[in-house]
Amino acid sequence: DGGITQSPKYLFRKEGQNVTLSCEQNLNHDAMYWYRQDPGQGLRLIYYSQIVNDFQKGDIAEGYSVSREKKESFPLTVTSAQKNPTAFYLCASSSGLAGVNEQFFGPGTRLTVL
Amino acid sequence: AQKVTQAQTEISVVEKEDVTLDCVYETRDTTYYLFWYKQPPSGELVFLIRRNSFDEQNEISGRYSWNFQKSTSSFNFTITASQVVDSAVYFCALSAYPMKTSYDKVIFGPGTSLSVIP
Repeated sequence: DGGITQSPKYLFRKEGQNVTLSCEQNLNHDAMYWYRQDPGQGLRLIYYSQIVNDFQKGDIAEGYSVSREKKESFPLTVTSAQKNPTAFYLCASSSGLAGVNEQFFGPGTRLTVL
Repeated sequence: AQKVTQAQTEISVVEKEDVTLDCVYETRDTTYYLFWYKQPPSGELVFLIRRNSFDEQNEISGRYSWNFQKSTSSFNFTITASQVVDSAVYFCALSAYPMKTSYDKVIFGPGTSLSVIP
């Protein structure tokens, strides 16, 4: 079945550590996105990529980094520079512009900083 | 500025009741898309509907219906005869087309948490 996988489902990080969240899709979509979800808030865009080897900052990119070396993969690194990283992280993809086309979401990774 | 407001933070209904989730949006664009997504307890968002700003026809899909009114900038979602499986967080979202910003962006509302009690 086509879809998006994210791993791990739960992740615990000590302060000062970098962690990488995995996102893989087999939908053959060009565009991929990372969102952060905090309780009672909508999704906020961290980074997005519309094509391999290219990505752009979203609204809250500080303290995060990404890479897009393969069409299927869009990993997100939460660095120690991110002051409040505890949140639910969602990866998404779309066949074209997310503003026009529906987005497909992964099951998310819940990151907790200890 | 573009904005999506979902004033209802949490709603509880008894099974088989009808429920309407409100969505009010702000945009200066004449062309835009509106979306509804459902986030069940499993966490992943599921696409429900997309509406083009030029298409004000209401839509019905099974127990779901959507009422789009440009005059009031609203895109409300009604579930008829609610079921326990409808319990989820529902997000309304807005985009602009063509994109005026430097990147392709969808603005999500804060979501409405719906609990359907058996």
